[in-house]
Amino acid sequence: EIVLTQSPGTLSLSPGERVTLSCRASQSVSSSYLAWYQQKPGQAPRLLIYGASSRATGISDRFSGSGSGTDFTLTISRLEPEDFAVYYCQQYGNSLYTFGQGTKLEIK
Amino acid sequence: QVQLQESGPGLVKPSETLSLTCTVSSGSIGGSFWNWIRQPPGKGLEWIGYVYNSGNTKYNPSLKSRVTISLDISKNQFSLNLSSVTAADTAVYYCARVWGGGFNFDHWGQGILVTVSS
Repeated sequence: EIVLTQSPGTLSLSPGERVTLSCRASQSVSSSYLAWYQQKPGQAPRLLIYGASSRATGISDRFSGSGSGTDFTLTISRLEPEDFAVYYCQQYGNSLYTFGQGTKLEIK
Repeated sequence: QVQLQESGPGLVKPSETLSLTCTVSSGSIGGSFWNWIRQPPGKGLEWIGYVYNSGNTKYNPSLKSRVTISLDISKNQFSLNLSSVTAADTAVYYCARVWGGGFNFDHWGQGILVTVSS
């Protein structure tokens, strides 16, 4: 099983700041198989990025993804109040899906 | 726009079987992978398994011995059975779609909280 480790666990930031979230895999992951989700309290996760760098339908261009191999990142260029949430990375490998443990963005 | 809706009991007794159904609307159930994912209160996401087309399935090895996922194409529904539940199975259960050509969950249900307690 491929383990995804996200860092940091929690980030305290202010609106308008730029942030980069990290997702590291225990073994190489195809970029095609790496996705990012946003989850707000009481809601289901929402797909943000698929294929490591492609934005899902309706997702703001403030969100961007990059990376390859074992290291992937999600960048939010200018934080808006609605961006404060928990972010998960997810991979597909060996016919299994796994998620990272999440990074929580909180308002400073 | 595909919509998914979970249904089932919110309370299950220990050692019994948890049974949930996901109804898919605004689209055909064929050609996609239909998944169950759960999230214990305050914790992260755990993929449970999927069913595809004529009933092909794949399960998380950690749950495989207790999980059955099935498909009813005529009703546009798929179901989860999780046997011998304990308090550790208390979670919000989500159904979600992986489009046939993708590797990510592009549509999700709103989730249903299932509590295991006597």
